[in-house]
Amino acid sequence: AAGVIQSPRHLIKEKRETATLKCYPIPRHDTVYWYQQGPGQDPQFLISFYEKMQSDKGSIPDRFSAQQFSDYHSELNMSSLELGDSALYFCASSLNPLAGVNEQFFGPGTRLTVL
Amino acid sequence: AQSVAQPEDQVNVAEGNPLTVKCTYSVSGNPYLFWYVQYPNRGLQFLLKYITGDNLVKGSYGFEAEFNKSQTSFHLKKPSALVSDSALYFCAVRDDSGGSYIPTFGRGTSLIVHP
Repeated sequence: AAGVIQSPRHLIKEKRETATLKCYPIPRHDTVYWYQQGPGQDPQFLISFYEKMQSDKGSIPDRFSAQQFSDYHSELNMSSLELGDSALYFCASSLNPLAGVNEQFFGPGTRLTVL
Repeated sequence: AQSVAQPEDQVNVAEGNPLTVKCTYSVSGNPYLFWYVQYPNRGLQFLLKYITGDNLVKGSYGFEAEFNKSQTSFHLKKPSALVSDSALYFCAVRDDSGGSYIPTFGRGTSLIVHP
């Protein structure tokens, strides 16, 4: 079965650079979530989109922005990168949470290293 | 408000023995509860969920979880542990009375199954 696809899988950037992470949800999933997971930490919710509109916002820094496109893929844009942004970034997708208690399906993650 | 606690950072069990990974929660309304497993450098994988109905929920890979409303717990169990079960386990809760559809994850419990 198709899974959530994230690209790139690994990314190395310098401080103050920008990065763009991409997420392709499972077909028919209309909701996308972004999480940040630091070493030994639980996933911290950043932001989510339903039908191309932002649906929930968590602890996403102002330096980050995201959007969901017409084909339901999503991109997380990160600017002015800081050392503390080094983490695993997960994308998850689900069916519409308004239509039921739907579990999230996570992608393999993008490991971002800021030097 | 919703919160979840996993009181054990690590659980050690011998292969073939039963295992329990603990989770307690706090919600204002009724809880929707989830268990996910994470293998090294991988995304979280859904194991099982409780919405309503039977307190014993069966999930993937022989895992089950018991919902206990009076103790506000949702412990993950397996009758006979395998070495391949060694991974990081996350409990998550979503409050059905809240305005957000985003679950809150626990800090994770590292399960180590010894041969």
